[in-house]
Amino acid sequence: GESVGLHLPTLSVQEGDNSIINCAYSNSASDYFIWYKQESGKGPQFIIDIRSNMDKRQGQRVTVLLNKTVKHLSLQIAATQPGDSAVYFCAEGGGSYIPTFGRGTSLIVHP
Amino acid sequence: DTAVSQTPKYLVTQMGNDKSIKCEQNLGHDTMYWYKQDSKKFLKIMFSYNNKELIINETVPNRFSPKSPDKAHLNLHINSLELGDSAVYFCASTQGGGRVNTIYFGEGSWLTVV
Repeated sequence: GESVGLHLPTLSVQEGDNSIINCAYSNSASDYFIWYKQESGKGPQFIIDIRSNMDKRQGQRVTVLLNKTVKHLSLQIAATQPGDSAVYFCAEGGGSYIPTFGRGTSLIVHP
Repeated sequence: DTAVSQTPKYLVTQMGNDKSIKCEQNLGHDTMYWYKQDSKKFLKIMFSYNNKELIINETVPNRFSPKSPDKAHLNLHINSLELGDSAVYFCASTQGGGRVNTIYFGEGSWLTVV
């Protein structure tokens, strides 16, 4: 089946630095992508999404970049704060009811 | 008000037992899911219900059975529990219609089989 994977299981950054979390997908039909943040002891929560007719979308301190050519998307977090420490997931959709997640990247922010 | 609520939050049980985890959503969504998250944070879908009908069923043992009395509830029944069933189980919901929209997750149910 199709899969969504993340390049790095753990990312450590210093407070104030920018963070980049990467995600590769394999389903060329995917046209909707979502990033989720999972804090310790909680369920994943929506951060930002992007549709395949866009290559960039910005939110508050977060930016998602989509490169359909290489089937890659990234989540950039500006001025990373300790509260950003969490596991981040990307999920893809392709016209089905099957929301596919990857393993997750653990972001650790050092004060 | 909690959008997606699941109970119990923690469950410790012995091998061979049968247990259930309940889930309710008050968002008016028509699609609900159960996910399993292992110790390495891998989040894998188990079941999806749309308008009270099972529409996907991944390679999950038939010891696991979803039950949906109405579109606001999707309970997970597990028979003959095994050690490998220990994980965090997340209920989630979304508004379907053939597209993946924002999925709202519950807080998770930590299942430990001893």
